[in-house]
Amino acid sequence: GENVEQHPSTLSVQEGDSAVIKCTYSDSASNYFPWYKQELGKRPQLIIDIRSNVGEKKDQRIAVTLNKTAKHFSLHITETQPEDSAVYFCAASISSNAGKSTFGDGTTLTVKP
Amino acid sequence: EAGVTQSPTHLIKTRGQQATLRCSPISGHTSVYWYQQALGLGLQFLLWYDEGEERNRGNFPPRFSGRQFPNYSSELNVNALELEDSALYLCASSLRDRLGEKLFFGSGTQLSVL
Repeated sequence: GENVEQHPSTLSVQEGDSAVIKCTYSDSASNYFPWYKQELGKRPQLIIDIRSNVGEKKDQRIAVTLNKTAKHFSLHITETQPEDSAVYFCAASISSNAGKSTFGDGTTLTVKP
Repeated sequence: EAGVTQSPTHLIKTRGQQATLRCSPISGHTSVYWYQQALGLGLQFLLWYDEGEERNRGNFPPRFSGRQFPNYSSELNVNALELEDSALYLCASSLRDRLGEKLFFGSGTQLSVL
């Protein structure tokens, strides 16, 4: 089955700096890679996703890159703000069945004002 | 539009008891997924229901079971509770479009087994 590894497990940055979280996956059949943000005590929310026919996707301060050959994908947050502090999860799946995603263990991002 | 709702928010049980957790999907969503999120870990896929049928289950023992009702709401039942069942249980409903499937999560039920 699929195996997703996520690094680092914790990340602390100064407000305004960039943050990068990396994930690797094992199943070459996976073609859908979402990222979720979970603030303390709140539900996970999809913040950005990428499909394997695309190498990069941006949405304002957030971007995701995918290297299908190397089987890794990364989340990039620029100009970080204190409200970006949360746990971020990556996941990998077949796009038609995102519910059966394999999730990474999460990265706790702390943005210091 | 109301999001995915779960109840109860918190549930405290003792070893050997049974727990029932409930989930109401977003209106129009027919698929419901259940996940277990143990402290400090990622989400582990538990069960998938679609159109009233169990479609798949994760690597969990049979004492984890559930059902989906005609209105697409769902129940997760955990029998013979063990201490290690203590976790946040998340439910998600999904929307499928031409590109694939996207998940919308509930806020979860925090189950504590004493």
